[in-house]
Amino acid sequence: KAGVTQTPRYLIKTRGQQVTLSCSPISGHRSVSWYQQTPGQGLQFLFEYFSETQRNKGNFPGRFSGRQFSNSRSEMNVSTLELGDSALYLCASSLGRYNTEAFFGQGTRLTVV
Amino acid sequence: AQSVTQLDSQVPVFEEAPVELRCNYSSSVSVYLFWYVQYPNQGLQLLLKYLSGSTLVESINGFEAEFNKSQTSFHLRKPSVHISDTAEYFCAVSTQSSVSKIIFGSGTRLSIRP
Repeated sequence: KAGVTQTPRYLIKTRGQQVTLSCSPISGHRSVSWYQQTPGQGLQFLFEYFSETQRNKGNFPGRFSGRQFSNSRSEMNVSTLELGDSALYLCASSLGRYNTEAFFGQGTRLTVV
Repeated sequence: AQSVTQLDSQVPVFEEAPVELRCNYSSSVSVYLFWYVQYPNQGLQLLLKYLSGSTLVESINGFEAEFNKSQTSFHLRKPSVHISDTAEYFCAVSTQSSVSKIIFGSGTRLSIRP
């Protein structure tokens, strides 16, 4: 069974641009969550999607958004990039909203210059 | 709100020595507790979890953690470490109502010396 797949693995963007990251969950998993990992702030929850609806949201500005498609694949978008958005973005999938085992992808390393 | 404190940012130990990584949490409701491991340039892998029942939980690679409700702790231990255990370890919590919203500690970097 394939694991959680995140694309691209690495990305370099310029301040002010926008970026879209993709996450394909494990087959059959319907819940997808996104996390930002930085050396200064650690791992922080961004949002969770289940059945194409955002179910939970962390404390991030509106520049961070996401969506989930009918096949459970998810994308997150960051608009008007800032230097501080440089981070490893991790996606996690689980069977359902109340399933306690989350499987993480390898992440997308975003560098904003 | 929930929070997690990992008391040590780095723990150096010699190979085959025992290790304990400390974790304390704060929450006004019952929590689920987790330890995740992150190897260099990798995502996170679930090491073990406590949901309910026996307070001592074990992983398949020799780690164990004990839930202590009175001390609000969930320390991770291994009696004898190997070079391959070198990684960053994250303690985390979530709740029944927001299982997928995992709150992580700041991480403990475990470095094993030969």
